[in-house]
Amino acid sequence: SQKIEQNSEALNIQEGKTATLTCNYTNYSPAYLQWYRQDPGRGPVFLLLIRENEKEKRKERLKVTFDTTLKQSLFHITASQPADSATYLCALGDKIIFGKGTRLHILP
Amino acid sequence: EAGVAQSPRYKIIEKRQSVAFWCNPISGHATLYWYQQILGQGPKLLIQFQNNGVVDDSQLPKDRFSAERLKGVDSTLKIQPAKLEDSAVYLCASSLDPGGVNEQFFGPGTRLTVL
Repeated sequence: SQKIEQNSEALNIQEGKTATLTCNYTNYSPAYLQWYRQDPGRGPVFLLLIRENEKEKRKERLKVTFDTTLKQSLFHITASQPADSATYLCALGDKIIFGKGTRLHILP
Repeated sequence: EAGVAQSPRYKIIEKRQSVAFWCNPISGHATLYWYQQILGQGPKLLIQFQNNGVVDDSQLPKDRFSAERLKGVDSTLKIQPAKLEDSAVYLCASSLDPGGVNEQFFGPGTRLTVL
């Protein structure tokens, strides 16, 4: 069965540094992959979508990469701010499988 | 643009009771999703509708869960009877075009506690 793993449950990063979150998957070849942000008590909010034929996607301070050979996506937040603290979820394309998420804490 | 609306926001029931959740998607969105999110987990897809037809309900526990989307707009999710393990947040989401690749817009969720 398809499996999706996000590298760590929690990640602490110093303000101003780059935060890098990892999403690995097995037994599946998604046509696209999405990243969402979820704050406590709220529903997920869409951030970025990357297709299998795209290596990299950027949006302001966010960058996503997609390596279909490694079956891995990396999500980067540059110049991180305390307001970036949240849980970040990756989701595999048309099967709509979400990972558990990584809780990111940006330390002032 | 109004977002996805869900009600109630919170519900506490005893096991073996019934409960229903309501969702109103963003106007014009063809696809509607119901997810179950247990504390500390990612959302798990329960059912996906395209207009008023079911696209995927493979993970819906059909012995106790049911969902409908009449007229291709609002949707209700029902649990009857509830079990302790049904305690979770139930999220509704919608997306614009079922044939394409679109972001999902999520509602705030309904937090269900089964005692």
